[in-house]
Amino acid sequence: KNEVEQSPQNLTAQEGEFITINCSYSVGISALHWLQQHPGGGIVSLFMLSSGKKKHGRLIATINIQEKHSSLHITASHPRDSAVYICAVSSTGNQFYFGTGTSLTVIP
Amino acid sequence: EPEVTQTPSHQVTQMGQEVILRCVPISNHLYFYWYRQILGQKVEFLVSFYNNEISEKSEIFDDQFSVERPDGSNFTLKIRSTKLEDSAMYFCASSEGGLAGWETQYFGPGTRLLVL
Repeated sequence: KNEVEQSPQNLTAQEGEFITINCSYSVGISALHWLQQHPGGGIVSLFMLSSGKKKHGRLIATINIQEKHSSLHITASHPRDSAVYICAVSSTGNQFYFGTGTSLTVIP
Repeated sequence: EPEVTQTPSHQVTQMGQEVILRCVPISNHLYFYWYRQILGQKVEFLVSFYNNEISEKSEIFDDQFSVERPDGSNFTLKIRSTKLEDSAMYFCASSEGGLAGWETQYFGPGTRLLVL
């Protein structure tokens, strides 16, 4: 079973486009994390949120606790945004569950 | 900027051998984690560690696995008798403190383990 589901699995966008990646989860959570995994494998934490909305530069993350859903938005996408974006949750049982990731390619 | 480091970057071993993967977390961080990612699959949680003991572990983290903080700076993952299915990228992470899961985690670059 997948505690965390992401969509889409793959996404190709033209430079400048507004991008949305969705995440749904089925467990009770203490926090939700958005991560970026670069082609070489390295993982960077983008956001950690437990309610509402956070913004960092061109990235915006939102979460709806009641609907168990989060979105990651990228405004004015750029080729350097090309990466795999991973949604992960810290469950109330102190476990961590990861989505399978969304592979984003931004074409110049 | 402080970062989590991992050694080695790549390790090849024979099935049945013991391996130790090493991590140096960020110095003022109190929570440490190990994750693994089998090629082409999602990241999986193995274990979290706080105050010199395991805080949580997943079903994957069976008796073949152990973690240790031997000297106050290193954080190690030992696999006692490696199996082919242990081949994966292993990531270490650390967070500043507070409750596990509530803090931003900083990931190391990973160790790619190949079991032959």
